[in-house]
Amino acid sequence: GAVVSQHPSWVICKSGTSVKIECRSLDFQATTMFWYRQFPKQSLMLMATSNEGSKATYEQGVEKDKFLINHASLTLSTLTVTSAHPEDSSFYICSARGTSQETQYFGPGTRLLVL
Amino acid sequence: RKEVEQDPGPFNVPEGATVAFNCTYSNSASQSFFWYRQDCRKEPKLLMSVYSSGNEDGRFTAQLNRASQYISLLIRDSKLSDSATYLCAVNERGGFKTIFGAGTRLFVKA
Repeated sequence: GAVVSQHPSWVICKSGTSVKIECRSLDFQATTMFWYRQFPKQSLMLMATSNEGSKATYEQGVEKDKFLINHASLTLSTLTVTSAHPEDSSFYICSARGTSQETQYFGPGTRLLVL
Repeated sequence: RKEVEQDPGPFNVPEGATVAFNCTYSNSASQSFFWYRQDCRKEPKLLMSVYSSGNEDGRFTAQLNRASQYISLLIRDSKLSDSATYLCAVNERGGFKTIFGAGTRLFVKA
């Protein structure tokens, strides 16, 4: 299957700092990328959908000013958690889909711990 | 009502057992269906797509019932390595976004 990478794989930061997570499709062009968040023992929750070159579409309840998404190229999307707080600590996973693909391919996820 | 619902389990089964998971979806316009496997602290990995005619991949069989709006996953001859959380996923017609169920946890014991 297609390969999607995420960086960093884990990050620990102080409350109030901003954290950027990168998601890259390594062997295909991702016209659409998705960002999910998963708390322990809970389901994947879609945060936002981004299409290359356009603004992201956020799910209800997700603050677009807090979770900044940029999808500047067909292989890269970034999620920036601005002014992170302990309640933002979670497992953040991206996925990507190309124009001819029906399925999504997931990145390995980023564990964020905000102290 | 959640868009995609699954029994959270956990299912505790002995090695060699057959186990079945069901998943219901609320949107009758849903177009595509999938089962994913997620290991602890890892990302989901696609296990198999689900087709209207049903499909099989080794010990795994997936079926779709559009009339009743549910999909199922059957695992035969369970292995210890099958222990994981199984997520069903549904794409709406047009397939823009995928909705995931909360997952069903499976523990296979020796």
